[in-house]
Amino acid sequence: AQKITQTQPGMFVQEKEAVTLDCTYDTSDPSYGLFWYKQPSSGEMIFLIYQGSYDQQNATEGRYSLNFQKARKSANLVISASQLGDSAMYFCAMREGPTGYALNFGKGTSLLVTP
Amino acid sequence: ETGVTQTPRHLVMGMTNKKSLKCEQHLGHNAMYWYKQSAKKPLELMFVYSLEERVENNSVPSRFSPECPNSSHLFLHLHTLQPEDSALYLCASSHARTSRGDQPQHFGDGTRLSIL
Repeated sequence: AQKITQTQPGMFVQEKEAVTLDCTYDTSDPSYGLFWYKQPSSGEMIFLIYQGSYDQQNATEGRYSLNFQKARKSANLVISASQLGDSAMYFCAMREGPTGYALNFGKGTSLLVTP
Repeated sequence: ETGVTQTPRHLVMGMTNKKSLKCEQHLGHNAMYWYKQSAKKPLELMFVYSLEERVENNSVPSRFSPECPNSSHLFLHLHTLQPEDSALYLCASSHARTSRGDQPQHFGDGTRLSIL
């Protein structure tokens, strides 16, 4: 069964607008971490933001925020004031358990920011 | 500027060749990872080394052989690969889970591997 589901294969947003990228996850472990990564066409995976399962507040990092709804098992990424350089693939990932190493990735969402 | 460097960036090899991918991290991390990224599939974790010991091995064919001589270097030795092994191979590093709780993995630019 897929652990991470990203239902939007592709998204368009106009420059300076906000955009939400969806992510739902599946786990029975009470301890887990959720990550978002950005992958430009160059290939490098760039870490954006992290949310722990026990964190009370939604994570924020500059223009990125994570809308964490634990009961719904969703961890949507919100990018405010989109820029042309935000055009890339975005991946949601989850690590389960307090000591595990494996990151389970979703299939990704391709975001295109238009002028 | 990336703290994780992978070489080569591109590699084309025949099915009978032997080659190695190299990864080096300058972030002071002590866990290193190999991932495979194929078209239209999620990233697949291949191997994890923590404190220079292999801690995860996800049913990877024996034609892929990892080596971690120290906490800064990681190799992936390739031998008798198949066309379906063509993919982007990404290396990552992080602090070990035992030391600082949950830590993000930092990735290199990857090696684009093509098998003829």
